[in-house]
Amino acid sequence: AQSVTQLDSHVSVSEGTPVLLRCNYSSSYSPSLFWYVQHPNKGLQLLLKYTSAATLVKGINGFEAEFKKSETSFHLTKPSAHMSDAAEYFCVVSGYSSNTGKLIFGQGTTLQVKP
Amino acid sequence: GAVVSQHPSRVICKSGTSVKIECRSLDFQATTMFWYRQFPKQSLMLMATSNEGSKATYEQGVEKDKFLINHASLTLSTLTVTSAHPEDSSFYICSAISGSGSLEQYFGPGTRLTVT
Repeated sequence: AQSVTQLDSHVSVSEGTPVLLRCNYSSSYSPSLFWYVQHPNKGLQLLLKYTSAATLVKGINGFEAEFKKSETSFHLTKPSAHMSDAAEYFCVVSGYSSNTGKLIFGQGTTLQVKP
Repeated sequence: GAVVSQHPSRVICKSGTSVKIECRSLDFQATTMFWYRQFPKQSLMLMATSNEGSKATYEQGVEKDKFLINHASLTLSTLTVTSAHPEDSSFYICSAISGSGSLEQYFGPGTRLTVT
């Protein structure tokens, strides 16, 4: 079975400092992994995805994530936080099998950006 | 990019009534749509998978007679919450996969349901 664990429920950073949102996954096959962002009362926006190509994935808004199979991790980073980055972030793994499209969501990490 | 819309964006209904939520893919044909439920400050929980022209597949613990899903066309899926109760109040989000072979899901903006 597939699962994903976001290690921090809440992360607080100062504007201009680096962001690290941690995610570990469990999968019985080579997974597809995603990071989504959700602003309050809004739908989800895809930040980036890993689908067995390059292990360092670059996404929108300066975010990137590195797939580390040995550590079963897919942490999200950004060199410099902006106030507009404050939102809920979800690490997601494709579920059950690679061709159903089902997604398994992590618990979410709330990113707070302080001025 | 692909756009998915939901209507209404928010709805308030009285306990015991039914409410229908629409999910539309605006610029692509969606062979598969998903319905999620999200409680405040919690993650998304998959409720069901909807394939055009066939019955929806519900996740364990989701009552199919309470949450009726219809996927009558390649651009429209509807979720009807029947005999709604206050505990059904939630944020409902749909997503869609295009028929192009990509498994990327495109999410709608969500519908806030409040049952009084």
